[in-house]
Amino acid sequence: AQKVTQAQTEISVVEKEDVTLDCVYETRDTTYYLFWYKQPPSGELVFLIRRNSFDEQNEISGRYSWNFQKSTSSFNFTITASQVVDSAVYFCALSEAPGNQFYFGTGTSLTVIP
Amino acid sequence: NAGVTQTPKFQVLKTGQSMTLQCAQDMNHEYMSWYRQDPGMGLRLIHYSVGAGITDQGEVPNGYNVSRSTTEDFPLRLLSAAPSQTSVYFCASRSQGNTEAFFGQGTRLTVV
Repeated sequence: AQKVTQAQTEISVVEKEDVTLDCVYETRDTTYYLFWYKQPPSGELVFLIRRNSFDEQNEISGRYSWNFQKSTSSFNFTITASQVVDSAVYFCALSEAPGNQFYFGTGTSLTVIP
Repeated sequence: NAGVTQTPKFQVLKTGQSMTLQCAQDMNHEYMSWYRQDPGMGLRLIHYSVGAGITDQGEVPNGYNVSRSTTEDFPLRLLSAAPSQTSVYFCASRSQGNTEAFFGQGTRLTVV
């Protein structure tokens, strides 16, 4: 069974629009960690955020914000006032215990149109 | 700091050839992993290691071998390349405590 689901395969927005990338996860562990990574066209994977299962506080970092809801097993990512440089593939990932490996979603390709 | 270094960046192999993808990290991380990235499938775990001398299989291990003789190095061996192994390969390392993983730049492998 897919542990991390990113249902949105591709999204296109016009610059300055807000956009939310969805991530739904599945786990039986009570302790787990969620991550978002960005993969720009150059191909490298850039870490954006980590959240543990005991911390449901939303987080904001500049134009980026994350909404973690255990009740719906979701960890959504919102970009406010999108920019062309935000165009990339975004991956959500789950790690279930200390040291265990990541389960990645299939990624959402975001295109920001100028 | 170099972080995670993968070599080569690009490689073309003929079916049946063998080769080793190199991965080295200079952060003294205990955990290292290999992933392959294919269109529409995200990153899938091939093999991983929780320390020198310890390796285990991930989701898609067939056709690949690994070893971990030192903390720094975690090479991935393709035993007999097949076109199905055409992919982008990423090596990652992380420390204990479920920190984020640091990824290499990737190796784009084409098997013809």
